Amino acid sequence: IAGITQAPTSQILAAGRRMTLRCTQDMRHNAMYWYRQDLGLGLRLIHYSNTAGTTGKGEVPDGYSVSRANTDDFPLTLASAVPSQTSVYFCASSEGFGRTELFFGEGSRLTVL
Amino acid sequence: GQNIDQPTEMTATEGAIVQINCTYQTSGFNGLFWYQQHAGEAPTFLSYNVLDGLEEKGRFSSFLSRSKGYSYLLLKELQMKDSASYLCAVIDSNYQLIWGAGTKLIIKP
Repeated sequence: IAGITQAPTSQILAAGRRMTLRCTQDMRHNAMYWYRQDLGLGLRLIHYSNTAGTTGKGEVPDGYSVSRANTDDFPLTLASAVPSQTSVYFCASSEGFGRTELFFGEGSRLTVL
Repeated sequence: GQNIDQPTEMTATEGAIVQINCTYQTSGFNGLFWYQQHAGEAPTFLSYNVLDGLEEKGRFSSFLSRSKGYSYLLLKELQMKDSASYLCAVIDSNYQLIWGAGTKLIIKP
């Protein structure tokens, strides 16, 4: 059982470069989420998707974009990376939006220099 | 604004009991989650409370009082593997999850 797969697990990136973090789930969950986690702060929602074909902005969406072309995939793109985007990024999914437990991927550690 | 408060760090002894508190002020309430997160790993689900009272699951129990905006996670018979961060999260009126910063629990032999 794979659950949620994220790639890459770790990446060092020069400022100004474009980067896409990939996320794939095999649980046929409707809802998917992207969070960032920084030391001393709670998980902060970047973008979410209630179902394939729809996306929404979370608490910290600036500088990030997402797409949800199908149920399984939910990539996160940084159009032009900045050092403040250095963080650990978690993709998550749930059967329903907001009511059911979240299943998390293993995380992608991104460093922007 | 919406806010979740948890202690930043707690220390307990192997074999003992520890209670991790979580207080919240949110726009509405549709449930509360507790997650465990080991260092360098993803959060994993522990418990869900939507009604007042105690939910017991093995060595872990979670309590909720909606009138007080308060929950706690109780860990019994502590083991070294329980060393982790424990995250409290509340579902608000828009079904958005509001996360606390987490409580780092250190278990000493």
